[in-house]
Formats: sequence, structure tokens, C-alpha cells
Amino acid sequence: SQKIEQNSEALNIQEGKTATLTCNYTNYSPAYLQWYRQDPGRGPVFLLLIRENEKEKRKERLKVTFDTTLKQSLFHITASQPADSATYLCALDKLNDKIIFGKGTRLHILP
Amino acid sequence: GAGVSQSPSNKVTEKGKDVELRCDPISGHTALYWYRQSLGQGLEFLIYFQGNSAPDKSGLPSDRFSAERTGGSVSTLTIQRTQQEDSAVYLCASSWTSGGARNEQFFGPGTRLTVL
Repeated sequence: SQKIEQNSEALNIQEGKTATLTCNYTNYSPAYLQWYRQDPGRGPVFLLLIRENEKEKRKERLKVTFDTTLKQSLFHITASQPADSATYLCALDKLNDKIIFGKGTRLHILP
Repeated sequence: GAGVSQSPSNKVTEKGKDVELRCDPISGHTALYWYRQSLGQGLEFLIYFQGNSAPDKSGLPSDRFSAERTGGSVSTLTIQRTQQEDSAVYLCASSWTSGGARNEQFFGPGTRLTVL
């Protein structure tokens, strides 16, 4: 069956360092992969989208990589700040089918 | 323009009652999703509407749950004979889908349902 895995444990990163979150998937061939941020009591907010033929995408302090051979995406936040603390969700999109979300990884940036 | 809106924001009901949750998607968005999220948990997919196609109901947990989308716009999620385990935040999201390209989902603020 299709499966998406994100770090189940919370990730604690010192302010200023780079935070790296992982999204692995099996039995799936997404055309797109998306990353969202969710703060407590709010709905997820879209951050970045990367296509299957793209290796890397950047937006300000964010960088996403997509390796369709490894079936893995990495989400990096450089120069992390306490305001980056949130839960980050990856989502797989195969087109012509519903988007599937991972369970998310809680990120804590420690001042 | 306005984002996705949901109503009510909070709903407290007694076990066994029926509830209706409403979602107003962004105008022009053809795809609409309902999710459920329990405290500290991930998003649980419930149902997906895409244009005029038959909805994907594969995530509905039981036949007490149903949803409709009228005129390709507003959607209502109905839970009949509510149970305490139905207590959760119900999130609606919409997205624009065109020519095979897919854009991001825009989420509403959610409806917090509490079943006593």
C-alpha cells in the first residue's frame, strides 16, 4: 500500500542552524511534491511545490530537494529562527488522484 | 479575494445528534477536500471533489458521514448520529486544477467539533 513517512519525533534545532526534515514514500510515483506549514490551531499553509523533473527548489531561506530514485524529499530551513517552529507536512500529488499528506514533523527552533 | 471559509468555527453537540459543517471554497477552485484532524495527529483524508467527477469517498470512516458539493462551489459535510470519537477539527481545502497542472491547497480555519 502507499505510504508516506515523516520524522515522527519532534526535531529540536539551535537557532541559526539549518533544519532538515525528511519525507519518504513507497509504492507511489508523485508528479509533484508539496510542503506545508501548520501552526497550532490553524490549517496548513502552502510553502513550496516541486515537480518530479526538478531536483531542487528554493524560496528565500527554504530549500526542497526531490529524489524520485530514492523516493525522498528533503526540506531545509537555513538560518533557522524561533518563528520557524511549527509542524511541517509533505504532500504527494500524482495528478488525477487525491493529494496525500504525511503526518508531519514538529520542528522546535531553540533560542 | 477571500480565502476558504468554514462554518461554524466551533460546534458542540450531544452524542446521537446530526451535525452539518459548511465549506465555502475560493471562487473558481475546482477541487475541494475534507480532512479530519484529531489533537496532535496528522490530517485524515475524508472526501475529495474534483469538478463534475464523482467524488472520492474512500476516506469516509463510516456511513454516518456524507458530503455534497452544490453547483461546484459550497460543500456540506454531514455527520449523522454523532459519536464521541467524531470529536476533532474538520478542515476543508480547495485548489485550482487546470490542464493537468496542480496548485497548492488553500485551507480553511476549520470547524472544531466536540461531541459530548
